[in-house]
Amino acid sequence: AAGVIQSPRHLIKEKRETATLKCYPIPRHDTVYWYQQGPGQDPQFLISFYEKMQSDKGSIPDRFSAQQFSDYHSELNMSSLELGDSALYFCASSRRDYSAYEQYFGPGTRLTVT
Amino acid sequence: KQEVTQIPAALSVPEGENLVLNCSFTDSAIYNLQWFRQDPGKGLTSLLLIQSSQREQTSGRLNASLDKSSGRSTLYIAASQPGDSATYLCAVRRSDGGATNKLIFGTGTLLAVQP
Repeated sequence: AAGVIQSPRHLIKEKRETATLKCYPIPRHDTVYWYQQGPGQDPQFLISFYEKMQSDKGSIPDRFSAQQFSDYHSELNMSSLELGDSALYFCASSRRDYSAYEQYFGPGTRLTVT
Repeated sequence: KQEVTQIPAALSVPEGENLVLNCSFTDSAIYNLQWFRQDPGKGLTSLLLIQSSQREQTSGRLNASLDKSSGRSTLYIAASQPGDSATYLCAVRRSDGGATNKLIFGTGTLLAVQP
């Protein structure tokens, strides 16, 4: 079965650079979520989109922005990167009318800021 | 504010033992609860999802129970195997008419099954 696809899987950036993370949800899923997991921490919710509209917002820094496109893929744009942004970034998807909103996670993008 | 706690933080057991992982949440108004497995540096694999109206879910050697009124869930692993070694996370979704979709994760239990 198709899963959530994230690219790139690994990314190394320097401080103050920008990064773009991409997420391709499971086909026919209409909701995309972004989570950040710092070293030794539990995942923290950043932002979600339903049918290309922002549906919820968590602890996402103002330096970050995200959107969902017409083909339902999503991109997380991160600017002015800081050392503390080094983390594993997960994308998840779900379908609103199916399986009680069960969220399926991608393999993550490991971002390292040097 | 919903807080999710998992006990114990780490657990080491010999192969073949049955074990229970605990998850507690402070706000009982949840829509569902998911249990995940995470291998080191890897993604999250969904193991079981329990809706708020359910008491338990089973998948193979895994059984998850939910007591919403007391704010607790347990994950029971039968006949543990070394391949079960991983971090186990529980996460809850709030019940609010669909306005909020986010999962709030627990602190995780690091399980090591010794051969």
